[in-house]
Amino acid sequence: DAGVIQSPRHEVTEMGQEVTLRCKPISGHDYLFWYRQTMMRGLELLIYFNNNVPIDDSGMPEDRFSAKMPNASFSTLKIQPSEPRDSAVYFCASRSGQDYEAFFGQGTRLTVV
Amino acid sequence: AQSVAQPEDQVNVAEGNPLTVKCTYSVSGNPYLFWYVQYPNRGLQFLLKYITGDNLVKGSYGFEAEFNKSQTSFHLKKPSALVSDSALYFCAVRDTDNAGNMLTFGGGTRLMVKP
Repeated sequence: DAGVIQSPRHEVTEMGQEVTLRCKPISGHDYLFWYRQTMMRGLELLIYFNNNVPIDDSGMPEDRFSAKMPNASFSTLKIQPSEPRDSAVYFCASRSGQDYEAFFGQGTRLTVV
Repeated sequence: AQSVAQPEDQVNVAEGNPLTVKCTYSVSGNPYLFWYVQYPNRGLQFLLKYITGDNLVKGSYGFEAEFNKSQTSFHLKKPSALVSDSALYFCAVRDTDNAGNMLTFGGGTRLMVKP
């Protein structure tokens, strides 16, 4: 398996623009997590899904953030409109129901100017 | 609520010397504990986990960690450090009572191994 695949690896956008981050979890994994990493706040869980259903989105910072998982092999995290303070590295991770550890993608480095 | 503390922002060690990266946790139930490593511009890579059983767990690249319930600690160790071990290390916890299945991460410790 190729692991968790995220795209794009880097995104630079202007303030106010819509940004969509994409994630393909490991095949067969039931859980999908979106994390954000910044120097100030470290790794924060934004939202997670179980069997494509959002379970906990309490970490989503504002209504500007939304996440979907239309099927078991694809998820998106959307920011609309984007702001400079959204600049961070966004990670997607997945886990099977039988495993304890989650596996992370390479991340998307988002820069909002 | 669950939380993790990594008291050291950075640990410096000479190559060949033993290393320890500290982690303490807080959970309401029993913990599942994990260590991850992050190399520059890369995602987090799983190193090892404690679920139950033997308090000393062994993982990838010669790393091991010891679970100490009375001290609520899960320190990462390696008998002989390599320069290539230099990276950012994260401890994480999941409360077995946490139906939410969420991992909470510590702030990370940067390990610098000098030749």
